[in-house]
Amino acid sequence: ILNVEQSPQSLHVQEGDSTNFTCSFPSSNFYALHWYRWETAKSPEALFVMTLNGDEKKKGRISATLNTKEGYSYLYIKGSQPEDSATYLCAFCRAANDMRFGAGTRLTVKP
Amino acid sequence: SQTIHQWPATLVQPVGSPLSLECTVEGTSNPNLYWYRQAAGRGLQLLFYSVGIGQISSEVPQNLSASRPQDRQFILSSKKLLLSDSGFYLCAWGDQIMYITEAFFGQGTRLTVV
Repeated sequence: ILNVEQSPQSLHVQEGDSTNFTCSFPSSNFYALHWYRWETAKSPEALFVMTLNGDEKKKGRISATLNTKEGYSYLYIKGSQPEDSATYLCAFCRAANDMRFGAGTRLTVKP
Repeated sequence: SQTIHQWPATLVQPVGSPLSLECTVEGTSNPNLYWYRQAAGRGLQLLFYSVGIGQISSEVPQNLSASRPQDRQFILSSKKLLLSDSGFYLCAWGDQIMYITEAFFGQGTRLTVV
């Protein structure tokens, strides 16, 4: 069984707060770690694809780090806005074509 | 540009009835294709993936099956639906070197088995 764990399961923050989530994955057979944002009534959209230990990626107010040796990735959102409300999914690629998702972190940003 | 089409968007089917969900991709060739399911309150579970025509990998033993009759067509089927098959089904595609590029998802199908 391949376990990709995300925490917390849900998160409620006030507008302007900074927040972060965790994705844990097996440290063996690592190919890549993806982060997706999934808004209600839409399709999941990619935020980051990370392949190297120590990778840090940033897109606007959102950034992510990767530690493949210990099997975790953090997603950070600085100054949360209501439009950031969504479910954030991480996906672990253990082979070139095999992508497994965690259960996601549901973020709600209150105005 | 590449696009992915998935239909129908919603479906209500009685227990024991057959199922066929279709997914097609345009604007790319030889994609990896995936079927995921999100059960209520849970994440995306990988059901099947395919790296080429007729090549299907099944992840979870169940009464669902998948087929890839053409390069850019992926079909999810069942001969007899169970109540537990209810959920949100997503089709996705990615490049053959999947792990270094993002996946692209269809709009999803909300299946309710009654």
